Amino acid sequence: EVQLLESGGGLVQPGGSLRLSCAASGFTFSSYAMSWVRQAPGKGLEWVSTISGSGVTTYYADSVRGRFTISRDNSENTLYLQMNSLRAEDTAVYYCAKGGLGVSFTYLDYWGQGTLVTVSS
Amino acid sequence: DIQMTQSPSTLSASVGDRVTITCRASQSISSWLAWYQQKPGKAPNLLIYKASSLESGVPSRFTGSGSGTEFTLTISSLQPDDFASYYCQQYNSYPRTFGQGTKVEIK
Repeated sequence: EVQLLESGGGLVQPGGSLRLSCAASGFTFSSYAMSWVRQAPGKGLEWVSTISGSGVTTYYADSVRGRFTISRDNSENTLYLQMNSLRAEDTAVYYCAKGGLGVSFTYLDYWGQGTLVTVSS
Repeated sequence: DIQMTQSPSTLSASVGDRVTITCRASQSISSWLAWYQQKPGKAPNLLIYKASSLESGVPSRFTGSGSGTEFTLTISSLQPDDFASYYCQQYNSYPRTFGQGTKVEIK
């Protein structure tokens, strides 16, 4: 059974940093692309970033490029999102999601339960 | 970037109704479209991929169709468990983009 468990969310001041983690199990983690998707309170879904199974290829939304870094540790079956220079508009529930065998033409077939990030002074 | 536009934003319907949600892409995405269902406080759940392929375990009352720029999600007979929000997403290119969502409410 595929399981994705996010952690690391919390309250942070504007300009601060936070690192999210997503522990994966139930599939061959290193073979699959992984993504982060966020949802601001009462709003829709926004794709944030995707990383290939090897970790070599990454993609970012314009809204986070240069501030957020996606990475993975395939030996620990864990996905990360390092978030720097946080802004109020980054406040959201952050979901990790499993993609396909490549980074192209892959949908998100499993999602974690989400972790809430609140950016406020 | 490819813009995804869903309609309607809100839909009021009764149990047993046939419901259709439309998703339009700002440029052709072939069939690289997914549909997700999300209930309040829960993570999204994949319903349909490649525009019309039903994800394993999803009831057959859910049907996806379309290609190019126009897509539909149809629920043939609305059930109490189907009252939720629905999102389309293109995975033709980066950045990935979602529609703004359609909330299906009880009439």
